[in-house]
Amino acid sequence: NAGVTQTPKFRILKIGQSMTLQCAQDMNHNYMYWYRQDPGMGLKLIYYSVGAGITDKGEVPNGYNVSRSTTEDFPLRLELAAPSQTSVYFCASSYSRGTGELFFGEGSRLTVL
Amino acid sequence: AQTVTQSQPEMSVQEAETVTLSCTYDTSENNYYLFWYKQPPSRQMILVIRQEAYKQQNATENRFSVNFQKAAKSFSLKISDSQLGDTAMYFCAFMKHGAGTNAGKSTFGDGTTLTVKP
Repeated sequence: NAGVTQTPKFRILKIGQSMTLQCAQDMNHNYMYWYRQDPGMGLKLIYYSVGAGITDKGEVPNGYNVSRSTTEDFPLRLELAAPSQTSVYFCASSYSRGTGELFFGEGSRLTVL
Repeated sequence: AQTVTQSQPEMSVQEAETVTLSCTYDTSENNYYLFWYKQPPSRQMILVIRQEAYKQQNATENRFSVNFQKAAKSFSLKISDSQLGDTAMYFCAFMKHGAGTNAGKSTFGDGTTLTVKP
């Protein structure tokens, strides 16, 4: 099983550039999440979605956008990249009628120079 | 708003001994889950143990157990017979269960880095 797949795994951006982090899950989970993790720190929730067409802000949404047009995909868009967005980004998914456990992707390391 | 606080940024323990990691949370919800996740140097997040708020009995998974104090909003993790492979960052997490505002929202603490010494 593929589980949660994130691409790319690594990316370097210049200040002001934009990019999209892709996330796909094949477990038919209705909940999906984007977190960022700064070095030595915890996970901060950027956005989450409880189903296709529904998204909501987390703790640190500024500078990011998301969409959820299908159950499987939950891309994260960075507009006008800034050095403060240098971080590791994790996508995760969960099933509302399950155990509540989050299943994580392997992370995407983004550097903004 | 739901918040999760881990007050111990770093801890260490000798191999084979027992260590307890602390976690407190704040919520007005009644129906929720609590979790401990482990993040080894590989960065992959691994579920260690979960607790449903409506269950009074503390969850146990082999060498890992929790002390869940609902009234005090405390959820500590005890690791018995610590092993070198337990070296990792440990995160406490909260998720509101059910329906309504914030259902499914999952919040993490800042983590505790645990080092098991030989």
